[in-house]
Amino acid sequence: AQKITQTQPGMFVQEKEAVTLDCTYDTSDQSYGLFWYKQPSSGEMIFLIYQGSYDEQNATEGRYSLNFQKARKSANLVISASQLGDSAMYFCAMREDTLGGKLIFGQGTELSVKP
Amino acid sequence: KAGVTQTPRYLIKTRGQQVTLSCSPISGHRSVSWYQQTPGQGLQFLFEYFSETQRNKGNFPGRFSGRQFSNSRSEMNVSTLELGDSALYLCASSLALAGGLSGEQFFGPGTRLTVL
Repeated sequence: AQKITQTQPGMFVQEKEAVTLDCTYDTSDQSYGLFWYKQPSSGEMIFLIYQGSYDEQNATEGRYSLNFQKARKSANLVISASQLGDSAMYFCAMREDTLGGKLIFGQGTELSVKP
Repeated sequence: KAGVTQTPRYLIKTRGQQVTLSCSPISGHRSVSWYQQTPGQGLQFLFEYFSETQRNKGNFPGRFSGRQFSNSRSEMNVSTLELGDSALYLCASSLALAGGLSGEQFFGPGTRLTVL
């Protein structure tokens, strides 16, 4: 069963606008972590933001925020004030803490920022 | 603080050969995980090492193996290469926190392996 679902294969956003990338997950574990990574065409996976399952506040890192809705099992990434350099693949990932450092990834969303 | 480094960055091999990839984690990180990324299968977990022991393993054949040294550097080896092994191989390092949690995970730039 797919544990991480990203339903948007590709998205477009106008420069300076905000964009939300969707991610839903499935786990029976109580302790888990949710991650978002950015992968530009160079291939490197760049860590953006992390949310632990017990964190009460939504995580924020600069222009990135994670809209964590535990009951709905969703962990959407919000990018505010999009920049041309934000054009890349974005991956949502989950780590179930009973499985050590193993990350399970979604299929990714390709974001294109238009000038 | 230096990030995760991987060597080599690019590699071309022929079927049947073997290959060894190297990963040096962020200083102080004790957990190293390896992932394979292909257009068809996406990102798939290979294995994780912590304190020189394999802590977790993905669903890959025995041709894929790895190890971790006392300084936390890790290597992965693929024997008898097949065309389908062509991929971007990424390693990630993380702190090993109390209670088995791993905290944030940071990736290296990857090794792009092409099998001809």
